[in-house]
Amino acid sequence: DAKTTQPPSMDCAEGRAANLPCNHSTISGNEYVYWYRQIHSQGPQYIIHGLKNNETNEMASLIITEDRKSSTLILPHATLRDTAVYYCIVRAAMMNSGYSTLTFGKGTMLLVSP
Amino acid sequence: KAGVTQTPRYLIKTRGQQVTLSCSPISGHRSVSWYQQTPGQGLQFLFEYFSETQRNKGNFPGRFSGRQFSNSRSEMNVSTLELGDSALYLCASSFGGYQETQYFGPGTRLLVL
Repeated sequence: DAKTTQPPSMDCAEGRAANLPCNHSTISGNEYVYWYRQIHSQGPQYIIHGLKNNETNEMASLIITEDRKSSTLILPHATLRDTAVYYCIVRAAMMNSGYSTLTFGKGTMLLVSP
Repeated sequence: KAGVTQTPRYLIKTRGQQVTLSCSPISGHRSVSWYQQTPGQGLQFLFEYFSETQRNKGNFPGRFSGRQFSNSRSEMNVSTLELGDSALYLCASSFGGYQETQYFGPGTRLLVL
């Protein structure tokens, strides 16, 4: 799987947009970008994923650059409950690479403050 | 729709003992993956079961094993527990197809004394 690089921590004021960057410069053309988050001592929660196009759901938006070497997860109106570790994962697309496996890095600790 | 459930949620064992953890996937999901999370190593993949067969395996010793039943429920077993096995054990379920999203349970926290 392609490696990802994320800042170790970020701060965000409540009500403001949180923009979490992820670098995945070695991503292959058919590899997806997934985002999960983990609130302290809970199981990771799926947020969103994408391949090339920008994606939006009820939780967040995912912006992937045209060259696919980086992406940004956007939480449009951060709340205190969004405080968590956010993981950006590039998931192998080839079926013989164990396509059910998620390889987690260290993620970004997002602290949302009042 | 009920989420992934794991039992027990907390467990204390002593070195040398064995432990069995259980995971019930989301209804309709046929794939169950297990992960170990420790402060030092982070989240690491243990193994994945699909239709009662182990399909993928991470880099863990043979003391870690698992199985899946016909109703897709899965168990993992750790024999001869070591202090370093203290961790949060997470399972995740999916339909099991190509790039299917995995959904995680709340985890079982194991403490080995």
